[in-house]
Amino acid sequence: DSGVTQTPKHLITATGQRVTLRCSPRSGDLSVYWYQQSLDQGLQFLIQYYNGEERAKGNILERFSAQQFPDLHSELNLSSLELGDSALYFCASGTGGSEQYFGPGTRLTVT
Amino acid sequence: QKEVEQDPGPLSVPEGAIVSLNCTYSNSAFQYFMWYRQYSRKGPELLMYTYSSGNKEDGRFTAQVDKSSKYISLFIRDSQPSDSATYLCAMSDDNAGNMLTFGGGTRLMVKP
Repeated sequence: DSGVTQTPKHLITATGQRVTLRCSPRSGDLSVYWYQQSLDQGLQFLIQYYNGEERAKGNILERFSAQQFPDLHSELNLSSLELGDSALYFCASGTGGSEQYFGPGTRLTVT
Repeated sequence: QKEVEQDPGPLSVPEGAIVSLNCTYSNSAFQYFMWYRQYSRKGPELLMYTYSSGNKEDGRFTAQVDKSSKYISLFIRDSQPSDSATYLCAMSDDNAGNMLTFGGGTRLMVKP
């Protein structure tokens, strides 16, 4: 157990809908990272927050957004969902460097 | 061409064998190198974390980094059936907010 928690574990929704994925980092970690894992693209970095501020952005779609709250938990919002958004979404946390610990993931299925 | 290349396998070995897993990369700015183990439908688990070139050992696992060749390796000694998983290499540089760039993963099967 990495100490990173993610909810929900599974999410099934329809195209065009909006969902929110939640992540709680390990105790003491200030940084949260979001990654998407799909069969064809592998693990891809989406976005990083450090102590509430956005620090880095990857190839995150404009339909996707994230934030980190004062208690350091983070939420990833996915809107106008498409079939191709079906994937595993992972949150990772760390102290701000490259050493990152991953949560169990949220499996999103868009039908 | 992907920034980080990894043979997808599957790699099948008998129990007790020494396993060698490798990644090559093209971005010379990468300074930090990691190996993750991922069981099916689970989150990646950090196994090894190294900075720059050299070797690092932790129990049955040894990580090697050769920056001159842009090549990293993970060796698993006395492999066990419980080592059967997908192994992902990952790398980062300080200038990119510590985002990790992953290889596609190598699926390892250790047969009893």
